[in-house]
Amino acid sequence: QSALTQPASVSGSPGQSIAISCAGTSSDVGGYNFVSWYQQHPGKAPKLMIYDVSNRPSGVSDRFSGSKSGNTASLTISGLQAEDEADYYCSSYAGDVAHYVFGRGTKVTVL
Amino acid sequence: QVQLVESGGGVVQPGGSLRLSCAASEFSYTSYAMHWLRQAPDKGLEWVAVISHDEISKSHADSVKGRFTISRDNSKNTVFLQMNSLRDEDTAVYYCARAPNNRWHQFDYWGQGTLVTVSS
Repeated sequence: QSALTQPASVSGSPGQSIAISCAGTSSDVGGYNFVSWYQQHPGKAPKLMIYDVSNRPSGVSDRFSGSKSGNTASLTISGLQAEDEADYYCSSYAGDVAHYVFGRGTKVTVL
Repeated sequence: QVQLVESGGGVVQPGGSLRLSCAASEFSYTSYAMHWLRQAPDKGLEWVAVISHDEISKSHADSVKGRFTISRDNSKNTVFLQMNSLRDEDTAVYYCARAPNNRWHQFDYWGQGTLVTVSS
């Protein structure tokens, strides 16, 4: 199963909004509403930021939002802050054979 | 505060074996499926294996099938990953993560990871 496709890097100034795309296929992103997004700071464990395309776990800032159109999901960070600088990974359920697939990650830089 | 603490990583020669452990605390362990995932140096995340809350169902990624085995001991709130026939490409930080019983795709808490280095 191929990895999901994410841009290698995205940058923005404090206060701006940025979006990270996650392109898959009808066998993963497009076939299920089971897309998640994870934030990972250097040397740290990943943290769940969005699940089931657009739901935020308790404690995650409402500046983070998710959406999906067809085979592509997106994570939007509004009001960009210095602490948002991290790597972001998308993930999708991909059926009983491939199970769970990830994107290769997007490095977010706050200018 | 949910805690997942991995241990058992280290340096091993190609073809060797290691057994990783992940001790869970501060949550209802038997209400969750448990996963192992890994991250090779400066690479992305890769799902490795999952086991159901009751130990009945388990699945492994094709890249480790036949070499790795996931198991759990609910009396000790611990999940294991037995890794045999290790290869260079298995070098990675290995994370355990929990997922609610009816939502296996949702890795909602992760441990800090344990490093496995396969090298001669």
